[in-house]
Amino acid sequence: DTGVSQDPRHKITKRGQNVTFRCDPISEHNRLYWYRQTLGQGPEFLTYFQNEAQLEKSRLLSDRFSAERPKGSFSTLEIQRTEQGDSAMYLCASSLAGTYAYEQYFGPGTRLTVT
Amino acid sequence: AQSVTQLGSHVSVSEGALVLLRCNYSSSVPPYLFWYVQYPNQGLQLLLKYTSAATLVKGINGFEAEFKKSETSFHLTKPSAHMSDAAEYFCAVSGGSNYKLTFGKGTLLTVNP
Repeated sequence: DTGVSQDPRHKITKRGQNVTFRCDPISEHNRLYWYRQTLGQGPEFLTYFQNEAQLEKSRLLSDRFSAERPKGSFSTLEIQRTEQGDSAMYLCASSLAGTYAYEQYFGPGTRLTVT
Repeated sequence: AQSVTQLGSHVSVSEGALVLLRCNYSSSVPPYLFWYVQYPNQGLQLLLKYTSAATLVKGINGFEAEFKKSETSFHLTKPSAHMSDAAEYFCAVSGGSNYKLTFGKGTLLTVNP
């Protein structure tokens, strides 16, 4: 069991550029979640997938944010036309479905800095 | 709707002293409750969870928490603090079909030698 992995761990980009982050969940987990954590705050839910289906995306912060999980394994989170307010830690978590869906395991996060 | 309030953004204890981190929640459905720990520049590690079984929950590293429905609380305790416990702790609530976690703002625990 290798745990949830995220890549890159750190990303520095200039305002207006597009960025994409990757998350690889625990292999047998079919649910995958994205959260955003800003300085001094707890993580905030963005979206989640069950297998390849995106079941809730209403919390994605704007239409500049999009997420995919094309084959039900890894997922990507893209931010287009980045703004300084997008600077945050982006966390991915995964879980089993059903009774154990509440037990989410987090990756190390991708820290985004927009200059 | 669900929410979590963590009382005290910063708690400082001496090594060997009792650790008490407070969490109150609000939920319109029966809640599942969690405590996570976050070390600097790392993700969150699950310490313990309440999922409607026993109200006193034991977790890793000697931590435990008690679910009190009448007080809508889920406070985290540890009898004797170690230096390695210094970290940020987050209380979270979940409930409903999407299983999303709603977190509090966190409590930074400092352990003094």
